[in-house]
Amino acid sequence: DTGVSQNPRHKITKRGQNVTFRCDPISEHNRLYWYRQTLGQGPEFLTYFQNEAQLEKSRLLSDRFSAERPKGSFSTLEIQRTEQGDSAMYLCASSPYSRAGGTYEQFFGPGTRLTVL
Amino acid sequence: KNEVEQSPQNLTAQEGEFITINCSYSVGISALHWLQQHPGGGIVSLFMLSSGKKKHGRLIATINIQEKHSSLHITASHPRDSAVYICAVSGDDMRFGAGTRLTVKP
Repeated sequence: DTGVSQNPRHKITKRGQNVTFRCDPISEHNRLYWYRQTLGQGPEFLTYFQNEAQLEKSRLLSDRFSAERPKGSFSTLEIQRTEQGDSAMYLCASSPYSRAGGTYEQFFGPGTRLTVL
Repeated sequence: KNEVEQSPQNLTAQEGEFITINCSYSVGISALHWLQQHPGGGIVSLFMLSSGKKKHGRLIATINIQEKHSSLHITASHPRDSAVYICAVSGDDMRFGAGTRLTVKP
């Protein structure tokens, strides 16, 4: 399967614990995006990378959230000192990108559902 | 007011009916996307368009850039079309509507 993969698919944790999610994009895609989706709402943008560079972060991304893409391939999203309000589906997507411009379709992973007790 | 507004929020139809979902946006965009999300969370891209109209099978998407409005039409709807349909607009990031939950009854 050459699609976007995310691990784990589900994570249940206690308030105050740290969690880390992983996203493996489609291999030739140099852009990678993280989104958060709460029940009944559309996804919300969190951050995105172009290769290993983190180009934009939403104000939704508090200091407890950090994302990395160290080698420009897979990415991790870490949440420190989780709160009940962090419970959501965390979605990853990837797309190609060209300096010549243009808009590209994003391909989404299956998501990681986080439940903070 | 959200930057991307969809209507209706919920839609129930009988199999075979023609369905329209609307999307209005208030920001400048490079493209508009229609996405489908099934229970369990997986999102599939249906259309990406920046002008005019696109058709894929029973699905048709249109966009009016001047009016900042797009519509997704489903002809001859089927129960397997039941899903949440999300409108999103893209620049460097992507901004999403809240989704329209479609239920097609046999």
